[in-house]
Amino acid sequence: GQNIDQPTEMTATEGAIVQINCTYQTSGFNGLFWYQQHAGEAPTFLSYNVLDGLEEKGRFSSFLSRSKGYSYLLLKELQMKDSASYLCAVVGWSNYQLIWGAGTKLIIKP
Amino acid sequence: EAQVTQNPRYLITVTGKKLTVTCSQNMNHEYMSWYRQDPGLGLRQIYYSMNVEVTDKGDVPEGYKVSRKEKRNFPLILESPSPNQTSLYFCASRQGNEKLFFGSGTQLSVL
Repeated sequence: GQNIDQPTEMTATEGAIVQINCTYQTSGFNGLFWYQQHAGEAPTFLSYNVLDGLEEKGRFSSFLSRSKGYSYLLLKELQMKDSASYLCAVVGWSNYQLIWGAGTKLIIKP
Repeated sequence: EAQVTQNPRYLITVTGKKLTVTCSQNMNHEYMSWYRQDPGLGLRQIYYSMNVEVTDKGDVPEGYKVSRKEKRNFPLILESPSPNQTSLYFCASRQGNEKLFFGSGTQLSVL
């Protein structure tokens, strides 16, 4: 079967760092997306990892280990506006097969 | 501006009254997809289309229809809506290994 696991909810403090993990078991792998979604709004693109390693983009970084079926999203210098759900999605056996995790709701406290 | 346009943003209807949610993209993408999102369940794919006149079922297709007569448009049709189809719906499009572009969403309530 195909499975993606993310924590349901996480809490962090403004200004701190948080790491959101995503583990996957899929029949194929052609990349992994991270999206941010504020309540009631459309998901917005954060990152796309195809090869192993860390990719940094401003305050956000994403890491991938294909051998471990593992990715994480690292958010630094947290701001209140980072309160949102973070969705992990794996591109499966074809470019058009996306398998979505249920998302991690991140709550930022002052 | 590259975008996926989805309408309406909000829709309240009654059981059994046919409705259509429209979706249009201006990026000449081959792939388009419909998702529904319910609390705690994440995004679930309803139908997708790889190109004009090519559509296929996703994970939760029951009660829905789609058509792809033109590359830019991919409407979602509910022939006889039921309360369990109350949900937040998203249309999305993609080309190759690019990111997925989402429409702004349709919050549907079926009474």
